[in-house]
Amino acid sequence: QVQMVESGGGVVQPGGSLRLSCAASGFTFSLYGMHWVRQAPGKGLEWVAFVRDDESFKYYVDSVKGRFTISRDNSKKMLYLEMNSLRAEDTALYYCAKSWNDRSFDYWGQGTLVTVSS
Amino acid sequence: DIQLTQSPSFLSASVGDRVTITCRASQGISSSLAWYLQKPGKAPKLLIYAASTLQSGVPSRFSGSGSGTEFTLTISSLQPEDFATYYCQQVNNYPLTFGGGTKVEIK
Repeated sequence: QVQMVESGGGVVQPGGSLRLSCAASGFTFSLYGMHWVRQAPGKGLEWVAFVRDDESFKYYVDSVKGRFTISRDNSKKMLYLEMNSLRAEDTALYYCAKSWNDRSFDYWGQGTLVTVSS
Repeated sequence: DIQLTQSPSFLSASVGDRVTITCRASQGISSSLAWYLQKPGKAPKLLIYAASTLQSGVPSRFSGSGSGTEFTLTISSLQPEDFATYYCQQVNNYPLTFGGGTKVEIK
């Protein structure tokens, strides 16, 4: 069955960095685009970034452009999110999600919590 | 960026009720809309994509309709497991955006 497990979250000071990982299994990872989505505590969902199956195309929400980098390793079935210059407003549960045929998200991980605080 | 406005943001309903949630887009998005359900402490679950196509395994009491700028999610007979927060999402243009959510609670 399809499974995605995120890791790498934690507490970091403003201006710090973190690298999130998402381990995928149960589907042919190299054939699907992948997304990161976040949810601040008690708030709604916010799409963060997308990477095409072959890494030829990447998109970001404006608030993270220049600070976050999405990448993937198809040989390892891994998705990553490198986060730099972190701000308090980046505090959230970060989900990885698999892209469905129309860009909706058919499978989600359980999330990893990032807390940016001094 | 395309803004999505969901209404209501909160509704109280009883088991067996028919429930309708509306999602309005700030510009036309054809049928490029998805609906998700999220329960507390859980990841969202895809219910409907392409505005009206039921995701595999989702009960038929859920249905979606609409195109352009106005969309609806209908639950024909609310069940106990349906009490949750519902989100619409436009997948027409990047950045992908979500509505603010509709929390469905037990009356």
